[in-house]
Amino acid sequence: GAGVSQSPSNKVTEKGKDVELRCDPISGHTALYWYRQSLGQGLEFLIYFQGNSAPDKSGLPSDRFSAERTGGSVSTLTIQRTQQEDSAVYLCASSLDSGRASYEQYFGPGTRLTVT
Amino acid sequence: DQQVKQNSPSLSVQEGRISILNCDYTNSMFDYFLWYKKYPAEGPTFLISISSIKDKNEDGRFTVFLNKSAKHLSLHIVPSQPGDSAVYFCAASPSYQLTFGKGTKLSVIP
Repeated sequence: GAGVSQSPSNKVTEKGKDVELRCDPISGHTALYWYRQSLGQGLEFLIYFQGNSAPDKSGLPSDRFSAERTGGSVSTLTIQRTQQEDSAVYLCASSLDSGRASYEQYFGPGTRLTVT
Repeated sequence: DQQVKQNSPSLSVQEGRISILNCDYTNSMFDYFLWYKKYPAEGPTFLISISSIKDKNEDGRFTVFLNKSAKHLSLHIVPSQPGDSAVYFCAASPSYQLTFGKGTKLSVIP
């Protein structure tokens, strides 16, 4: 079956512009997660969705970052007024449930964002 | 403050030998630990996990050991193969939120 897909795979944008990153999770997965990986760093948790609601937004680095999920499926991560420090690989993952980490998270290939 | 640490950024091993990747954590609330493998331009893929009620979990060539008192876990790959060359991430969690280390780049030399 299809895995997690993300688009675009690469995005170059000018400082100050808004960007939207898209994630299509595995069909039937109710939990969806966004992470980012900056150069030389581990994966940093941003936000997770259970269905369409986001119980935990604690990882979002600033109010320029927002995310939504519709129909319990596709999710969009929006970064407003991008800054150079936003440059990173943004990874999406999905799992059957969010109740326990034992529900394996399947990752997409990521979107590489470069802010110039 | 890094809660999950992988102190070796890279490791080189001869094909056929054992690869040992190490991970230390500080948060005593972590009760589930995972290893992910990542190839360039791909997302991480799940490799093996262990619950805190165990001290060892084995899956084929991969074995994860957990030492709770030392807050240390390790991944053993035996025998190492060139296709194992990738970046390996250790992750830990008390629930849904995974906390990742910075990764160790493993190179298996033919």
